[in-house]
Amino acid sequence: GESVGLHLPTLSVQEGDNSIINCAYSNSASDYFIWYKQESGKGPQFIIDIRSNMDKRQGQRVTVLLNKTVKHLSLQIAATQPGDSAVYFCADLMNSGYSTLTFGKGTMLLVSP
Amino acid sequence: DVKVTQSSRYLVKRTGEKVFLECVQDMDHENMFWYRQDPGLGLRLIYFSYDVKMKEKGDIPEGYSVSREKKERFSLILESASTNQTSMYLCASSRRTGGYGYTFGSGTRLTVV
Repeated sequence: GESVGLHLPTLSVQEGDNSIINCAYSNSASDYFIWYKQESGKGPQFIIDIRSNMDKRQGQRVTVLLNKTVKHLSLQIAATQPGDSAVYFCADLMNSGYSTLTFGKGTMLLVSP
Repeated sequence: DVKVTQSSRYLVKRTGEKVFLECVQDMDHENMFWYRQDPGLGLRLIYFSYDVKMKEKGDIPEGYSVSREKKERFSLILESASTNQTSMYLCASSRRTGGYGYTFGSGTRLTVV
């Protein structure tokens, strides 16, 4: 089946930098997208979502950008902190019927103080 | 405020044992899911359920079965545990209509020896 992929498996940044995590999805029918954060030993936690009728959505220190033309999703974290160190997953879903989220394999974000 | 609870954080079982992993959610969600998470393979869907007594196979159902007798509880069963089922198991729940993120439990790390 189709899958969501990531460009970089590991991203290392300095505290205070802005981080950008990228994701490519393959299902052109997907219309809902989510970013999850997973800290060591914990389950994934919802960060932010975006629907296909939007190009950008902002949360607290996080922004998700969606480019449907090239099927690309990104997560921007402003002023990255050591507590942001985690694995970040993107996921997509086609909002019809009983479809399920398709997860990418994850990007490890390492933040150095 | 724990919303998806998995009964065990760590389990060690012997090859051939029957293993039950329990998951309970308190959000009145219709949908529940079981994933396994392995390094380099990401999250893979084992089974999901859209309603009581309903179940659907995910991407890797072989060697597993599920039970959903009550809306809030979704059990994963390993009929005869094998070493290749050593993994992190994650339960999640969501609302029936698509477009809502999944809420995950903290996971159960199962080791089969």
